[in-house]
Amino acid sequence: GIQVEQSPPDLILQEGANSTLRCNFSDSVNNLQWFHQNPWGQLINLFYIPSGTKQNGRLSATTVATERYSLLYISSSQTTDSGVYFCAVYRRGSQGNLIFGKGTKLSVKP
Amino acid sequence: DGGITQSPKYLFRKEGQNVTLSCEQNLNHDAMYWYRQDPGQGLRLIYYSQIVNDFQKGDIAEGYSVSREKKESFPLTVTSAQKNPTAFYLCASSVGHPETQYFGPGTRLLVL
Repeated sequence: GIQVEQSPPDLILQEGANSTLRCNFSDSVNNLQWFHQNPWGQLINLFYIPSGTKQNGRLSATTVATERYSLLYISSSQTTDSGVYFCAVYRRGSQGNLIFGKGTKLSVKP
Repeated sequence: DGGITQSPKYLFRKEGQNVTLSCEQNLNHDAMYWYRQDPGQGLRLIYYSQIVNDFQKGDIAEGYSVSREKKESFPLTVTSAQKNPTAFYLCASSVGHPETQYFGPGTRLLVL
């Protein structure tokens, strides 16, 4: 089946620093989502991004579907950015099967 | 407020017992999903339903059952056949497919 790999697995930043999280996938996909899971377990939608670039405040994402990767950029990080960031893809031809990576755990220190 | 609610927040199961996790949404979404998350792992799909009275197995359906009698509700039963039920269970919904999925706050299931 399709593989979704995220890197790095863990990331520690000082408040104010910038970071780039990467998501590689092994097969053609219909679409891709980025999520943030906060310390209480709530999954929050960040981006729905099949291709191209989107920006929302300090966060932006780029997906290059032909090269099978997506990047999530976090600028001027804040302690509230801490948590786990997941990339998830829809397998092409699937009927709702969202395949998740194992996530990048981000800790932002004050 | 529109959203997805899950209850209870914590659930304890005794050996051999069936337990049911509730998921309700008032977003008027057609599709609903159940995922399981184990520590340090991503989410895995258990079951999904695209319309009322219809549902399909996901990657790890064994030991679980669902029903979809109403558009707003998609309860998940963890049966005694599920030998390792301790996990964080998340419910999601979407307005179509493939569309953005929105998640509830989750239920933590622990075995006594």
